[in-house]
Amino acid sequence: ETGVTQSPTHLIKTRGQQVTLRCSSQSGHNTVSWYQQALGQGPQFIFQYYREEENGRGNFPPRFSGLQFPNYSSELNVNALELDDSALYLCASSLGVPSYEQFFGPGTRLTVL
Amino acid sequence: AQKITQTQPGMFVQEKEAVTLDCTYDTSDPSYGLFWYKQPSSGEMIFLIYQGSYDQQNATEGRYSLNFQKARKSANLVISASQLGDSAMYFCAMREGGGGTASKLTFGTGTRLQVTL
Repeated sequence: ETGVTQSPTHLIKTRGQQVTLRCSSQSGHNTVSWYQQALGQGPQFIFQYYREEENGRGNFPPRFSGLQFPNYSSELNVNALELDDSALYLCASSLGVPSYEQFFGPGTRLTVL
Repeated sequence: AQKITQTQPGMFVQEKEAVTLDCTYDTSDPSYGLFWYKQPSSGEMIFLIYQGSYDQQNATEGRYSLNFQKARKSANLVISASQLGDSAMYFCAMREGGGGTASKLTFGTGTRLQVTL
């Protein structure tokens, strides 16, 4: 196990709702990255937080937002959910940027109906 | 253009045999890193092995080795002595740049490996 935890494990929402996913990074890690993995695809980078500041963003609309707390845990918020947001959301923690290893959590599976 | 290409959607290998999973990449950045991750059905991405663009030697981690051919832009994963527990999805990923840039990983589409008796 990597020591990275995510909650909840599974979530079902309806179109238009908002959702918050949580990630606790491995002890000592100050960087958290979020990825979206649609069924049958590789993960896609959403954004990264380093010492509570956003440090890079992928090709995702502004309704995907995030936060990193002083203890380096992180939240991913998605507003106005769409059906295509159904995916496995993975967070990964690492030490510093750039990092040579990112340790992934077990993911949150989001289903949007 | 795809940055990471994995051309094998699925592979079968017999237990105790070696298997090579292919990965080619595309980047103009001289500084980059290549990673392989294993994803069992539980969903968690498990780090297997890392190769830096300036590393002279091929990376090895136990039964995993990375066949790094820089001129061909390929980074194939070799798993020796396959075990039933190796059955999973395998992803190749790349991090471009260094020195303060985001450690964004770009992933391929994965290869599903099935180990048979």
